[in-house]
Amino acid sequence: SQKIEQNSEALNIQEGKTATLTCNYTNYSPAYLQWYRQDPGRGPVFLLLIRENEKEKRKERLKVTFDTTLKQSLFHITASQPADSATYLCALDESLSNSGYALNFGKGTSLLVTP
Amino acid sequence: EAGVTQFPSHSVIEKGQTVTLRCDPISGHDNLYWYRRVMGKEIKFLLHFVKESKQDESGMPNNRFLAERTGGTYSTLKVQPAELEDSGVYFCASRISGANVLTFGAGSRLTVL
Repeated sequence: SQKIEQNSEALNIQEGKTATLTCNYTNYSPAYLQWYRQDPGRGPVFLLLIRENEKEKRKERLKVTFDTTLKQSLFHITASQPADSATYLCALDESLSNSGYALNFGKGTSLLVTP
Repeated sequence: EAGVTQFPSHSVIEKGQTVTLRCDPISGHDNLYWYRRVMGKEIKFLLHFVKESKQDESGMPNNRFLAERTGGTYSTLKVQPAELEDSGVYFCASRISGANVLTFGAGSRLTVL
């Protein structure tokens, strides 16, 4: 069966350090992978998309890598700030019947950045 | 641009009652999705509309759940009769055709007592 696994349910780091979150998947052949951020009481918010032919993508303090051989993506937040504290979700696309399309999500990793 | 709006934000009902959740997607987004997150689990796909048509409803748990999108604008998700295991947060998301990114609403929390 298809699985998306994200590392440890909670990650605590000190402000200014780099946070690294892991997403591993099985039984997917994704054309791309997405990362979302979710704050308590809110819906997921899109952060970054990386395609299967891209090794790395950056956006400000965020960096995503995608290794289709290892079936893994790493999500980095450099110079982390308390405002980065949230749950981060990894998502993969799935083709559905009738040409439909949906995103499947991992459980998420809760990040806490302390001053 | 207004985002995806969901109503109610929280609903508390008793087992056996009926609840209807509503989602207003971003204007012009033909694709509308319902997802659900139950305690301790990942966000799971329920169904996908393209305009007013159900494209895929393979994630719907059972026939107590009915989703509609009359006119291809807003959508409703009705649970009748509600059971305890239906408790969770129901998210609606929309996207424009050709795009890969979903825009989510804030969710409707359902508590069945």
